[in-house]
Amino acid sequence: GAGVSQSPSNKVTEKGKDVELRCDPISGHTALYWYRQSLGQGLEFLIYFQGNSAPDKSGLPSDRFSAERTGGSVSTLTIQRTQQEDSAVYLCASSPNLGNNSPLHFGNGTRLTVT
Amino acid sequence: SQQGEEDPQALSIQEGENATMNCSYKTSINNLQWYRQNSGRGLVHLILIRSNEREKHSGRLRVTLDTSKKSSSLLITASRAADTASYFCATDASNYGQNFVFGPGTRLSVLP
Repeated sequence: GAGVSQSPSNKVTEKGKDVELRCDPISGHTALYWYRQSLGQGLEFLIYFQGNSAPDKSGLPSDRFSAERTGGSVSTLTIQRTQQEDSAVYLCASSPNLGNNSPLHFGNGTRLTVT
Repeated sequence: SQQGEEDPQALSIQEGENATMNCSYKTSINNLQWYRQNSGRGLVHLILIRSNEREKHSGRLRVTLDTSKKSSSLLITASRAADTASYFCATDASNYGQNFVFGPGTRLSVLP
């Protein structure tokens, strides 16, 4: 079946512009995660959605970052007034159920470049 | 500081050799997972080991977990060029809530 789909795969934007990144999780997966990966680095947790519960936003680096998950499926990550330090690969992952024993299924990411 | 840290940061071996990567973490965990990432792609789950398990196998992969030392190792036997990738450990430390914390990864190069 289809995996986690992210769009766009690449995004180049000018400093100060807003960007929206989209994630389509695997159908039926209730948990959805956003991570950020800088070049050659590990993954930095941003935000986590689980079903209809309030999202865990503890990883968002500033109030310029926000995310929504509509209808428990598609999620968008919005970065307002982008800065050069926002340049990174933004990875989305989904998981089938609540609980820490479920592996994460990752999309291929959106590579964001802020010029 | 990060919950999980892998070492070495980079490893280069010849095809057919074994590769060992280590992961250390700081707080108690429920489980630890290993992922692989090929260049320009997302992460792929390899194996999960629970806190009450000490060793687990999957094909050419062998994972060990020592909760007393807060460390895990990933062994890839009889490596192939296709194993070239970055490898990450991820922990679900209870005080981090439901999210998973990833280390910086080990970049493995398997030379033909």
